[in-house]
Amino acid sequence: DADVTQTPRNRITKTGKRIMLECSQTKGHDRMYWYRQDPGLGLRLIYYSFDVKDINKGEISDGYSVSRQAQAKFSLSLESAIPNQTALYFCATSAPFRAGGNEQFFGPGTRLTVL
Amino acid sequence: AQSVTQLGSHVSVSEGALVLLRCNYSSSVPPYLFWYVQYPNQGLQLLLKYTTGATLVKGINGFEAEFKKSETSFHLTKPSAHMSDAAEYFCAAQTGGFKTIFGAGTRLFVKA
Repeated sequence: DADVTQTPRNRITKTGKRIMLECSQTKGHDRMYWYRQDPGLGLRLIYYSFDVKDINKGEISDGYSVSRQAQAKFSLSLESAIPNQTALYFCATSAPFRAGGNEQFFGPGTRLTVL
Repeated sequence: AQSVTQLGSHVSVSEGALVLLRCNYSSSVPPYLFWYVQYPNQGLQLLLKYTTGATLVKGINGFEAEFKKSETSFHLTKPSAHMSDAAEYFCAAQTGGFKTIFGAGTRLFVKA
């Protein structure tokens, strides 16, 4: 079974709709992240959470919100979707920082299309 | 501000040829450096990472990368490309304990 799962894998929605993307992990990591991937731009950080009570904005948080329901679950919401939020969204986890640097573990992604 | 630049959004090589994907970073302090690979319809997975110590780092699937502080580079190489290497590759830099900056990605095409 995958360590980081995302649902749905694909979603098509209309402008103005509220959308929730869900992420679950079985790695036991405290740190979770939401990124969006756009062609030619790489991955950009939307929100990150170091534990259930610690949620922080990333570089492109406008138009998004998150909820950390449990250590293993981190959801991303688009309150009122707009077309330029069409992208591939990834959830990731990592262990607490240590001197060796921190690898991130990614889910398979959710492809979101906003019409 | 920290940034990661990958030279070439697309690279095409013949099967059996050398693979060279370029990555340069800008940072006031040497960061931890990573290469991730993304296969179609999958998330990113770690190829290799540099933290401290030996500057030549070996990863999975025959890939390796060399950290050159004087050139602020961390180029990824593989001596002989295989069809299965076709994917998108991301260079990333990490400082401050968690913040990871990703490059724009390089898509590798392997011709038979």
